[in-house]
Amino acid sequence: GAGVSQSPSNKVTEKGKDVELRCDPISGHTALYWYRQSLGQGLEFLIYFQGNSAPDKSGLPSDRFSAERTGGSVSTLTIQRTQQEDSAVYLCASSYEDSRPNQPQHFGDGTRLSIL
Amino acid sequence: AQSVSQHNHHVILSEAASLELGCNYSYGGTVNLFWYVQYPGQHLQLLLKYFSGDPLVKGIKGFEAEFIKSKFSFNLRKPSVQWSDTAEYFCAVKVGSGNTGKLIFGQGTTLQVKP
Repeated sequence: GAGVSQSPSNKVTEKGKDVELRCDPISGHTALYWYRQSLGQGLEFLIYFQGNSAPDKSGLPSDRFSAERTGGSVSTLTIQRTQQEDSAVYLCASSYEDSRPNQPQHFGDGTRLSIL
Repeated sequence: AQSVSQHNHHVILSEAASLELGCNYSYGGTVNLFWYVQYPGQHLQLLLKYFSGDPLVKGIKGFEAEFIKSKFSFNLRKPSVQWSDTAEYFCAVKVGSGNTGKLIFGQGTTLQVKP
């Protein structure tokens, strides 16, 4: 079946520009997560949407980062006024959110963001 | 603060050698632990998970991990590695109650298996 889909797969942009990264979760998954994978920092949690609850934004590194999730499905991660340290692979994951135990997070292929 | 520490950053083994990758965590809540693997050019995939019950958990491709509560550890093992096990391995702890919650990852261990 279809997995988590992320677009674009690669994005190169100039410092100071805004970028939008998109994530389509697995159908039926109502929990959605964004992570960042970079050299020296490993895999870092950014933000997490769980159903209709307020998102957990505790991992966002600055107020230049924001994310939204429309209609409980697709999510967009926006980075404003990009800096070179924002260069990383941005990963999206999704999971079921119900009474079933042991539900793992399923990851997409990521968006490789390069800031010139 | 929650954290996960993987002791080995880069491991090189010959085929058929045994593998053990260390993972220690720091988290005061109910522990849900995971090992994920990222093969070259592929996305992160779940290798195995521990939620409760038997502390020795078995995953895909012959991997297993043992949860030792007293040592705050969740080491990954495989008796005999293959060249196809070359990948990056991440240990993670789930933070939060219920069935969902963010993952805190270790720094990762790159495993290189020589044929």
